[in-house]
Amino acid sequence: EPEVTQTPSHQVTQMGQEVILRCVPISNHLYFYWYRQILGQKVEFLVSFYNNEISEKSEIFDDQFSVERPDGSNFTLKIRSTKLEDSAMYFCASSPGARNEQFFGPGTRLTVL
Amino acid sequence: AQKVTQAQTEISVVEKEDVTLDCVYETRDTTYYLFWYKQPPSGELVFLIRRNSFDEQNEISGRYSWNFQKSTSSFNFTITASQVVDSAVYFCALSEAGSGYSTLTFGKGTMLLVSP
Repeated sequence: EPEVTQTPSHQVTQMGQEVILRCVPISNHLYFYWYRQILGQKVEFLVSFYNNEISEKSEIFDDQFSVERPDGSNFTLKIRSTKLEDSAMYFCASSPGARNEQFFGPGTRLTVL
Repeated sequence: AQKVTQAQTEISVVEKEDVTLDCVYETRDTTYYLFWYKQPPSGELVFLIRRNSFDEQNEISGRYSWNFQKSTSSFNFTITASQVVDSAVYFCALSEAGSGYSTLTFGKGTMLLVSP
């Protein structure tokens, strides 16, 4: 069964450093998303991406964040200058259409020291 | 105001008990979708069900059932004869026409602990 994959599973970085989180969505899906979950809290929407551009973004997704689909398979989230409060689990998701269920990857745990 | 409210923070049951997880939502859109996701201790988010706002028919899948009532803006989830493997955090979520359905708004989740 096809699934969303994410790398790395755990990333540790120093405050102020740039990180890139990588995702490979399900191959025939057209919509891609990033969410984050601070430890013990709810899952929060960051951004959605369709047709090579951002379709929606939340207040969390400020200028420090960017997304890219550099080739036909990868979908990345970049955080330019990490802060302590960026420590969270970051989930990538994809869906075949806007109204379909979103399938989530296993997540990348980002720890900012 | 929260768009998705899961008032039960944690529920503990003994195996074989039935348990209902509550979800109340708020939206001004007439067209929307409701979802349930399971997050086991391993951390991944597992899709369980999607329901559109025009389909109030209840759904049963094995030991799982869902009760959607627009009149009370609720989409409750019942596990019959619970098992230890059901222990997880369960999230209810909403997507709305107003956001092009591209945003999932999650509730805070209900942690279900099933003991043997």
